[in-house]
Amino acid sequence: GENVEQHPSTLSVQEGDSAVIKCTYSDSASNYFPWYKQELGKGPQLIIDIRSNVGEKKDQRIAVTLNKTAKHFSLHITETQPEDSAVYFCAASSRYSGGGADGLTFGKGTHLIIQP
Amino acid sequence: DSGVTQTPKHLITATGQRVTLRCSPRSGDLSVYWYQQSLDQGLQFLIQYYNGEERAKGNILERFSAQQFPDLHSELNLSSLELGDSALYFCASKYRSNTGELFFGEGSRLTVL
Repeated sequence: GENVEQHPSTLSVQEGDSAVIKCTYSDSASNYFPWYKQELGKGPQLIIDIRSNVGEKKDQRIAVTLNKTAKHFSLHITETQPEDSAVYFCAASSRYSGGGADGLTFGKGTHLIIQP
Repeated sequence: DSGVTQTPKHLITATGQRVTLRCSPRSGDLSVYWYQQSLDQGLQFLIQYYNGEERAKGNILERFSAQQFPDLHSELNLSSLELGDSALYFCASKYRSNTGELFFGEGSRLTVL
């Protein structure tokens, strides 16, 4: 089945700086890569996703890049703000992985801390 | 507000006991997913239902079971509870399998003493 590794587990950046979170996946059949943000006391919420036919996607201050050859994808947050402090999860999905839940496998999460 | 409702929000119980967690998916969503979130373990997929039928199983223990009812709400039953079952249990829903965004509830925090 799919295995998703996420790094770092904790990331502390100064407000206004950029943050980058990286994930690797193992199943070359994976074709959908969402990122979820979990604020304290809340459930995870989708913030951006990318499909395997696209190399990069942007939405205001956040962007995701995908390198299918290397099987890794990254989340980039620019001009970080205090409200960006949260736990971020990457995930990979393959319709054909047979792993269940539409093959959606999550990384272990990155705790992003924005220092004022 | 994701539209997914989970009850109870908090539950404290003793080892050996049985509990039931309830999930009401977003209106019209046919797929329901259960995840367990333990400290430093991320989101572990437990089980998925689609329109009342079990669709996929993940790392769900035999002591755990779930079902989805005709009105599409779902229940996760945890029995013979152990200390290690203490975790946040999330329910998520979406309209169909294999498409798009999962909508998560706010979770049920289970503490086993």
